[in-house]
Amino acid sequence: EVQLVESGGGLVQPGGSLRLSCAASGFTLSSYSMNWVRQAPGKGLEWVSYISNSGSIIYTADSVKGRFTISRDNAKNSLYLQMNSLRDEDTAVYYCAREMTTTWFDYWGQGTLVTVSS
Amino acid sequence: QSVLTQPPSASGTPGQRVTISCSGSSSNIGSNSVYWYQQLPGTAPKLLIYRNSQRPSGVPDRFSASKSGTSASLAISGLRSEDEADYYCAAWDDSLSAVVFGGGTKLTVL
Repeated sequence: EVQLVESGGGLVQPGGSLRLSCAASGFTLSSYSMNWVRQAPGKGLEWVSYISNSGSIIYTADSVKGRFTISRDNAKNSLYLQMNSLRDEDTAVYYCAREMTTTWFDYWGQGTLVTVSS
Repeated sequence: QSVLTQPPSASGTPGQRVTISCSGSSSNIGSNSVYWYQQLPGTAPKLLIYRNSQRPSGVPDRFSASKSGTSASLAISGLRSEDEADYYCAAWDDSLSAVVFGGGTKLTVL
């Protein structure tokens, strides 16, 4: 059974950093590209970042470019999102999602909540 | 404002047919496939439609979708109470090199 489990969310002050993890199981992570998608409280979905199966290709939304970095460790079956210089508007539930092909997210994690507040 | 435009709300009574539109541009819907996601209250999104009109296994055939030019639409026939959810369209945008989502449509079953 495919499972994606996010962790690492929590309360952080503006300007702070946080690293999210997504543990993958039930499939071979190295065969799939992965994404992070977020959802602010009461708002819609916002794509954050993409990483190819080997990690050689990365795309990042303009809203977080230069502050967030996606990475992966296929040997550890894990996906990561390093978030620096956090702002109030980064407050959201962050989901990791497996990608079949561009925009085709066939499995999602349950999400982890990041709250940026002083 | 979202790159893809959806109506914020839609509603219908049980058994009715409702449609949700999604409008984009030549750089996204006009040149790439459209995907639809359903998000039930308090849960993660779930893939509903892929490649404009294809249903994953397990998605009832009450759900259908189409694309024409720079617009797409999702139709739900035989509306049921369990269809009450938020629905999002999504596509790759060649100009932004990014996945873009619609703002979401909250479907209420009256």
